[in-house]
Amino acid sequence: GNSVTQMEGPVTLSEEAFLTINCTYTATGYPSLFWYVQYPGEGLQLLLKATKADDKGSNKGFEATYRKETTSFHLEKGSVQVSDSAVYFCALRGTGNQFYFGTGTSLTVIP
Amino acid sequence: DTEVTQTPKHLVMGMTNKKSLKCEQHMGHRAMYWYKQKAKKPPELMFVYSYEKLSINESVPSRFSPECPNSSLLNLHLHALQPEDSALYLCASSQVLRVSDYGYTFGSGTRLTVV
Repeated sequence: GNSVTQMEGPVTLSEEAFLTINCTYTATGYPSLFWYVQYPGEGLQLLLKATKADDKGSNKGFEATYRKETTSFHLEKGSVQVSDSAVYFCALRGTGNQFYFGTGTSLTVIP
Repeated sequence: DTEVTQTPKHLVMGMTNKKSLKCEQHMGHRAMYWYKQKAKKPPELMFVYSYEKLSINESVPSRFSPECPNSSLLNLHLHALQPEDSALYLCASSQVLRVSDYGYTFGSGTRLTVV
């Protein structure tokens, strides 16, 4: 079956620190992988995606590479800002209409 | 228009009330979804509509009744809810064809409180 395992939070970093949030997946077939971000009181926003192995998704300084050999899609950012404080969800989508979300990782960036 | 619009943003209702949540998109997406999200948890799928037909019902209690009157609108009718139904209700939409390439577009949600 399909599932996503995401790094437990919460994560607290100082501004300009390096961020990694780990995500691994189990899937049948060849899923697409996504990172969503949820700011307090809001819905989920698509941050980046990758649709096949070795693809790198990137947006707003965040990056993630689809690694089929390690079944991973880790989120990274070289220098976080206070405005990056949010909850980050890793997700996969197979050939059906259903998404599978990780449990979410809360990030707080302090000045 | 690249948004999913949900109304109302906040709703407080009693356990005997009947209310409806509304979701609208004009991106030509033919798949629409209702998710329920409790605090500090990921969204949980409730319903999927594909081409205006209900394709997935994740064993949701009958006090939640979805409706898709046309390709742009999705409603969730609420009746006789319980306090534990209090949550953020998220609507999303997506393409149907080449489905795995596309992410969802989420609305901002309706924050529901049942008293």
